[in-house]
Amino acid sequence: SQELEQSPQSLIVQEGKNLTINCTSSKTLYGLYWYKQKYGEGLIFLMMLQKGGEEKSHEKITAKLDEKKQQSSLHITASQPSHAGIYLCGADRAGSYQLTFGKGTKLSVIP
Amino acid sequence: DAGITQSPRHKVTETGTPVTLRCHQTENHRYMYWYRQDPGHGLRLIHYSYGVKDTDKGEVSDGYSVSRSKTEDFLLTLESATSSQTSVYFCAISEGVPGEQFFGPGTRLTVL
Repeated sequence: SQELEQSPQSLIVQEGKNLTINCTSSKTLYGLYWYKQKYGEGLIFLMMLQKGGEEKSHEKITAKLDEKKQQSSLHITASQPSHAGIYLCGADRAGSYQLTFGKGTKLSVIP
Repeated sequence: DAGITQSPRHKVTETGTPVTLRCHQTENHRYMYWYRQDPGHGLRLIHYSYGVKDTDKGEVSDGYSVSRSKTEDFLLTLESATSSQTSVYFCAISEGVPGEQFFGPGTRLTVL
């Protein structure tokens, strides 16, 4: 099965600082998805990346896909307390509707 | 927000009892999924459905069964609950793009 390794497992940053979360796949990436989860709640879809080199942004969050490295990075600029939560990456396999998720990165933002 | 609800939201039960969790959607999405989320394991797929009466197993399907008799409802059944099935269960739906899934609020199940 697809294995997704996220790093770091947890992150504490001061408000206003930039940060990066990485997601590395052990198998070929076809589609890479980023989700955010607040404690006790369901996941919220952030972005989907499908092509090598693709980069997408939503407000202050930017995600990139490096197909050669089979890796995606999620970058948050000028972090705010509202960015706190667990960020999960998910990947699908060719011809499958299933998603495999990484274990998540817990982000805390200190005011 | 996608119209997806889960019931019950919390349940405590005893080992050996049957348990059914319900996922209901108002979006008319074709695909529905059941996941469990556990510390150290992350989110894992239990079963999914690609249409009415069409279901398939996910990564951790042992001990679980599902049914989908209507587009809007996807039921997850634990025939005989065990303590290892204590978890938070999430339902998700999608249409067209498999990865763009919308998640329900979750059901916290405790098996004593």
